Amino acid sequence: DAGVIQSPRHEVTEMGQEVTLRCKPISGHNSLFWYRQTMMRGLELLIYFNNNVPIDDSGMPEDRFSAKMPNASFSTLKIQPSEPRDSAVYFCASSDLEGSPLHFGNGTRLTVT
Amino acid sequence: GENVEQHPSTLSVQEGDSAVIKCTYSDSASNYFPWYKQELGKGPQLIIDIRSNVGEKKDQRIAVTLNKTAKHFSLHITETQPEDSAVYFCAARLNTGFQKLVFGTGTRLLVSP
Repeated sequence: DAGVIQSPRHEVTEMGQEVTLRCKPISGHNSLFWYRQTMMRGLELLIYFNNNVPIDDSGMPEDRFSAKMPNASFSTLKIQPSEPRDSAVYFCASSDLEGSPLHFGNGTRLTVT
Repeated sequence: GENVEQHPSTLSVQEGDSAVIKCTYSDSASNYFPWYKQELGKGPQLIIDIRSNVGEKKDQRIAVTLNKTAKHFSLHITETQPEDSAVYFCAARLNTGFQKLVFGTGTRLLVSP
């Protein structure tokens, strides 16, 4: 079991640029979550997919953020255009059954200058 | 919505001592309470969880207690070791149609040899 795999581990970009974060959930897991972690706001749920369908995106901060899950083994979180306040660690997590524990990846540390 | 408060924000203990971290939640309909451990540069990892039909659960040196009436739950670590040093997060899940976890703000535990 390779766990949840996120790439890149670190991303440094300039304000205004497009950023794409990637996630491969654990094989067989049908639920996928994107979280953002900052010192000020802690761990915040951005969006949740079940069987590749977005169920709740109420945590997505604004229209600059978008997420897709084209198949069961891949998801992306895109920020366009990026802003310095988007700097954070972004985590992807997956689970197999509704109500089962979440398994987190090791995150992508995003720095927007 | 659900709100989870966690205390203390930092906790320093000597190796071999016990450590207790406390959390309160606001929504009486919450029914699942996991605890995560986050080491530097890694994603949160589940260490123990408890459901609302159970008052206490133990796994070796780690135990969690739940008081539904008071709406609080606690993590107990006995015989602490330096490798227990990390940030610990509690979380609560609402009894809604999907599994949205709300996290506490975290406790940084430092175990000194």
